[in-house]
Amino acid sequence: DARVTQTPRDKVTEMGQEVTMRCQPILGHNTVFWYRQTMMQGLELLAYFRNRAPLDDSGMPKDRFSAEMPDATLATLKIQPSEPRDSAVYFCASGLSGASAFFGQGTRLTVV
Amino acid sequence: RKEVEQDPGPFNVPEGATVAFNCTYSNSASQSFFWYRQDCRKEPKLLMSVYSSGNEDGRFTAQLNRASQYISLLIRDSKLSDSATYLCVVRDGTASKLTFGTGTRLQVTL
Repeated sequence: DARVTQTPRDKVTEMGQEVTMRCQPILGHNTVFWYRQTMMQGLELLAYFRNRAPLDDSGMPKDRFSAEMPDATLATLKIQPSEPRDSAVYFCASGLSGASAFFGQGTRLTVV
Repeated sequence: RKEVEQDPGPFNVPEGATVAFNCTYSNSASQSFFWYRQDCRKEPKLLMSVYSSGNEDGRFTAQLNRASQYISLLIRDSKLSDSATYLCVVRDGTASKLTFGTGTRLQVTL
């Protein structure tokens, strides 16, 4: 049963610490998205990749966030330094160009 | 103005009722449209794609009006299990970016 796998599922960290979230997209999918979801803002697109190349990261605060795809089976989202306002659920999704996307179960991040 | 706008609700309806959700989008170059469903504390899941001619999947009917940049979802004979947040999603025509609306919450009651 193909699925998008995200780790960790939950993360509590102190302000100022580095946070790394990982995503394994569905094998064969060439597009990977990172979204952040909060009650106030809903689902916000942070960055996305096609064939491992970043297409758009304009939704991401550049000074502290970075997204990479070191290979086709791994996407990472890093926050350094983390701040309390970064507390949210971070979703990774993958799909094929022109189609819909399948979501992972998310990483629930709490920065205290 | 947000790229994809939805009425946040909540829509509270009795079991068996018919309910309709609407969504508007601002990018006239948008090419594909979808409805997703999200249960509390879960990830969004694809409910159905939306085709230009309209399409139906069981109790669910989706419609697209490109001229008005408007998408709708109709749920007939609502079930308790339909209670969830329904997200309207638009894909642009060039870079395959998927933009989500903030969702409409549906609560079906006995």
